Amino acid sequence: GNSVTQMEGPVTLSEEAFLTINCTYTATGYPSLFWYVQYPGEGLQLLLKATKADDKGSNKGFEATYRKETTSFHLEKGSVQVSDSAVYFCALTSSGNTGKLIFGQGTTLQVKP
Amino acid sequence: DTGVSQDPRHKITKRGQNVTFRCDPISEHNRLYWYRQTLGQGPEFLTYFQNEAQLEKSRLLSDRFSAERPKGSFSTLEIQRTEQGDSAMYLCASSYPSGSSGANVLTFGAGSRLTVL
Repeated sequence: GNSVTQMEGPVTLSEEAFLTINCTYTATGYPSLFWYVQYPGEGLQLLLKATKADDKGSNKGFEATYRKETTSFHLEKGSVQVSDSAVYFCALTSSGNTGKLIFGQGTTLQVKP
Repeated sequence: DTGVSQDPRHKITKRGQNVTFRCDPISEHNRLYWYRQTLGQGPEFLTYFQNEAQLEKSRLLSDRFSAERPKGSFSTLEIQRTEQGDSAMYLCASSYPSGSSGANVLTFGAGSRLTVL
């Protein structure tokens, strides 16, 4: 079945540093890919998505490009802020038409002033 | 649109007791999902409904777990004879129907945290 692997955390960066969180996937067919974010004490929120190869999802300065040839969907941001500290989850749709998402284990980002 | 609501937010119970969680999805969403999240892990799929029909259940959903969505609106997740291993955050999410522009985008509630003593 479909699966996703994220880089382990925590990732600790200084404010204004460049961020990359790696995500690779295994899938049959053509899944949609997502990044969700979970701020402390809150529920998961959709950060960005891409529905087909070479699509770039972007939101709040974060970007990720759907790379079919490397089966990757790495999350990037050019200049992180303290307020970006959260847990980031990569996800993909499962096979079939259920809309069900399969999540990675999450990567904790800590941004220090 | 008030988002996805879950109740209660926190539940502490003793081993062997039954607990029930409620989820109110976004009204226009006909798909509803339950997930479980333990500390340091990503959400794991439990079950999903399209309208009132329960269309898929994970192997994680033992016989002690039952979910319903009787009128295609709110849903309940009941855990009977709770065990310490059931301690987790139970997440509910909803989405638009397949084929719509918002399909496959899950909107999550804040979750119901269960602690079994």
